[in-house]
Amino acid sequence: GQQVQQSPTSLVLQEGENAELQCNFSTSLNSMQWFYQRPGGSLISVFYNPSGTKQSGRLTSTTVIKERRSSLHISSSQITDSGTYLCAMDRYNQGKLIFGQGTKLSIKP
Amino acid sequence: GPKVLQIPSHQIIDMGQMVTLNCDPVSNHLYFYWYKQILGQQMEFLVNFYNGKVMEKSKLFKDQFSVERPDGSYFTLKIQPTALEDSAVYFCASSLGGNERLFFGHGTKLSVL
Repeated sequence: GQQVQQSPTSLVLQEGENAELQCNFSTSLNSMQWFYQRPGGSLISVFYNPSGTKQSGRLTSTTVIKERRSSLHISSSQITDSGTYLCAMDRYNQGKLIFGQGTKLSIKP
Repeated sequence: GPKVLQIPSHQIIDMGQMVTLNCDPVSNHLYFYWYKQILGQQMEFLVNFYNGKVMEKSKLFKDQFSVERPDGSYFTLKIQPTALEDSAVYFCASSLGGNERLFFGHGTKLSVL
């Protein structure tokens, strides 16, 4: 089965609403990253978050390693936030990332 | 943030030919990676590379695949010969250490006809 489960699969929101994306891991892990993938395909690292809470502007990531989960919160969403958000885990800190299927976020005006 | 450059952005090639994908990693990074994403599917690990050697490769890293970084120049992925199922976007990544954040390039879309 899937080692990295992301939910929801897709999310449609009105501009200004908050988004909450979840990532659950079926095995122990050492670290994880959140990525944003543009519709054109390029991959941008959003957070490297082995544990705890990190914030960057309107984005907040919270990882609880012992509970094998991470969340990404986007406040006051904007149309330009639309795209696919991927989470990935690294079990042994060797850069061998295992990715989830992604959450497709669509922000409507 | 740090940039990983990939050249070319798109490559179209006939089945059976050789192709080399080029990656210019972040300048002080020591660990390099290739990932593969077939259209509409999950991103998957291919190989990692450190100190001139492959550390680990996945089952997707077929015998036709090879990687190298001669004399600190481009980190390359060579496929010889190519097959139809090699069509995908190939992402290069690099990191300072094995337990550090990975930075990805924009990908090379490979179309094998």
